[in-house]
Amino acid sequence: SQQGEEDPQALSIQEGENATMNCSYKTSINNLQWYRQNSGRGLVHLILIRSNEREKHSGRLRVTLDTSKKSSSLLITASRAADTASYFCATNEIIRNFGNEKLTFGTGTRLTIIP
Amino acid sequence: DTEVTQTPKHLVMGMTNKKSLKCEQHMGHRAMYWYKQKAKKPPELMFVYSYEKLSINESVPSRFSPECPNSSLLNLHLHALQPEDSALYLCASSQDYGVIRGDTQYFGPGTRLTVL
Repeated sequence: SQQGEEDPQALSIQEGENATMNCSYKTSINNLQWYRQNSGRGLVHLILIRSNEREKHSGRLRVTLDTSKKSSSLLITASRAADTASYFCATNEIIRNFGNEKLTFGTGTRLTIIP
Repeated sequence: DTEVTQTPKHLVMGMTNKKSLKCEQHMGHRAMYWYKQKAKKPPELMFVYSYEKLSINESVPSRFSPECPNSSLLNLHLHALQPEDSALYLCASSQDYGVIRGDTQYFGPGTRLTVL
């Protein structure tokens, strides 16, 4: 399975600090996406980075991708209480017998921002 | 309108019941998905519909039966479920079924299903 491993599994920081989450995956990819999920709710797409990109920014988010190490990191700067959520990386995985690809989510990091 | 809606929000059913989950989007997306998510786990793909045709069935038991009546609607019919099927069921849609090029998937809020 392509499922990514995320690290740490859980992270608690003070409001205003930066939060860094890491994702490792197993096979070659075309792109890697990060999603956020508030408790028991749907996922929200945050950012996509393509395999030929090394770094991407969106507001307070910074994503890096190292295809040689098969890893990505998500940095949230100046964290806010509203950033409390689970964060998942997602990569494409080929489905046997279908020839199609599907989005496979990593194990997730549960981030808690302490006011 | 960038919203995917799901009904009901919560569902409790017995193992002999028949129920349906509904999903709707009005973004003109041509791909729709059902995911299952257990507590503290990532979502797992169940089905993909592309242009109203079933494209992927991830070896899901037949007690789950998807249906795509039109391009805006996606149903998941449930029958003879087991307690281990209790989970959050998420619907998503994307412009097209383009995982390789990275089509963003838009998720609904989910239906919390409990099977007694």
